[in-house]
Amino acid sequence: LAKTTQPISMDSYEGQEVNITCSHNNIATNDYITWYQQFPSQGPRFIIQGYKTKVTNEVASLFIPADRKSSTLSLPRVSLSDTAVYYCLVGDRYNFNKFYFGSGTKLNVKP
Amino acid sequence: SQTIHQWPATLVQPVGSPLSLECTVEGTSNPNLYWYRQAAGRGLQLLFYSVGIGQISSEVPQNLSASRPQDRQFILSSKKLLLSDSGFYLCAWSPPLGRAQDTQYFGPGTRLTVL
Repeated sequence: LAKTTQPISMDSYEGQEVNITCSHNNIATNDYITWYQQFPSQGPRFIIQGYKTKVTNEVASLFIPADRKSSTLSLPRVSLSDTAVYYCLVGDRYNFNKFYFGSGTKLNVKP
Repeated sequence: SQTIHQWPATLVQPVGSPLSLECTVEGTSNPNLYWYRQAAGRGLQLLFYSVGIGQISSEVPQNLSASRPQDRQFILSSKKLLLSDSGFYLCAWSPPLGRAQDTQYFGPGTRLTVL
């Protein structure tokens, strides 16, 4: 199972774009990259998922280079409500996953 | 649509008392089910997972146990709670084997305080 490495914390200000990078050097061919967001006293919720290149939805963008050994979650124009912990996971789309969550990245958005 | 329920929402228990947390999923059949624990300020620790009725796999040896008596019911238990069992317990489900295995969906969680 591919291990992921993320920064422990990041600070930002309202209105800025935030980029959180995740390293996954041992990613396997069938692995997809998924990002989750967790607010205090809530379970994580799915934000975005991708396999390669770029994926964009109404919440975020995910950039994945050709070697897929890292990925970057981009949050455009963050607000105070984006203050949360963000987790990066890699897992096989076709076989059972145990979904190991690391410590994530604590994003603190300041006014 | 699928929904996942957990109860109770909060629980305060004395050391040495038993524990039973329940999780149920609606709107899907034969889901994979998971129990996680999150200590204050920490990441999620996978405790148990199940791919079917009666099939339980343990990730961390401890005084907790899990059972899956029905397809969409997952129970976390303990005979005697320890102080270290305090935390936020989360139940999650993912699609059954044979479907895309890449996303999990979490319940609202149970906040357990052991005194």
